[in-house]
Amino acid sequence: DAGVIQSPRHEVTEMGQEVTLRCKPISGHDYLFWYRQTMMRGLELLIYFNNNVPIDDSGMPEDRFSAKMPNASFSTLKIQPSEPRDSAVYFCASQRRTGGWNQPQHFGDGTRLSIL
Amino acid sequence: QKEVEQNSGPLSVPEGAIASLNCTYSDRGSQSFFWYRQYSGKSPELIMFIYSNGDKEDGRFTAQLNKASQYVSLLIRDSQPSDSATYLCAVSGGSYIPTFGRGTSLIVHP
Repeated sequence: DAGVIQSPRHEVTEMGQEVTLRCKPISGHDYLFWYRQTMMRGLELLIYFNNNVPIDDSGMPEDRFSAKMPNASFSTLKIQPSEPRDSAVYFCASQRRTGGWNQPQHFGDGTRLSIL
Repeated sequence: QKEVEQNSGPLSVPEGAIASLNCTYSDRGSQSFFWYRQYSGKSPELIMFIYSNGDKEDGRFTAQLNKASQYVSLLIRDSQPSDSATYLCAVSGGSYIPTFGRGTSLIVHP
């Protein structure tokens, strides 16, 4: 099975530009998560979806950040306008729920974002 | 606020030794416990999970859980240089949404 697919792998852009990160979860997984990882703050949960519906976006740092999941196989995380402090590695992860037991998350390769 | 604490390290061990990585958590209702390994520049990958008190072994890896003490650990036997990575502890409860620790950096030197 293909894993979680993220694009682009690297993004370098200037401050003020719009940035769109993309994610394709593993087929059959009903949860999708967006994380941000920095040396200072570690792995931070930004938002997660269940069956394409946003459940908790309390981790989204500012209104400049938005995320959508128009269907079960695609999600985007958008930053507009971008700022240098948004520079980080952004991970998408998906998860399947079964009978009462908690399944692990499967991570994509991440997008390394640099805002100049 | 749910917290997961790990010593950031680095933990340095010689090749062939046992590496012991520790994690404590604040939420007594936590039910599921995961260990992820993250190589530099790569994404986290699951290596172990444990749900019940006691030990769980998988090859050179052993996860240990003590819910009364709110403590979970990962032992790596016969450590190899290829085990050098950051190890993330993740804990989840009724919401099934995991909380990640900051990770412990492990260095296995020849």
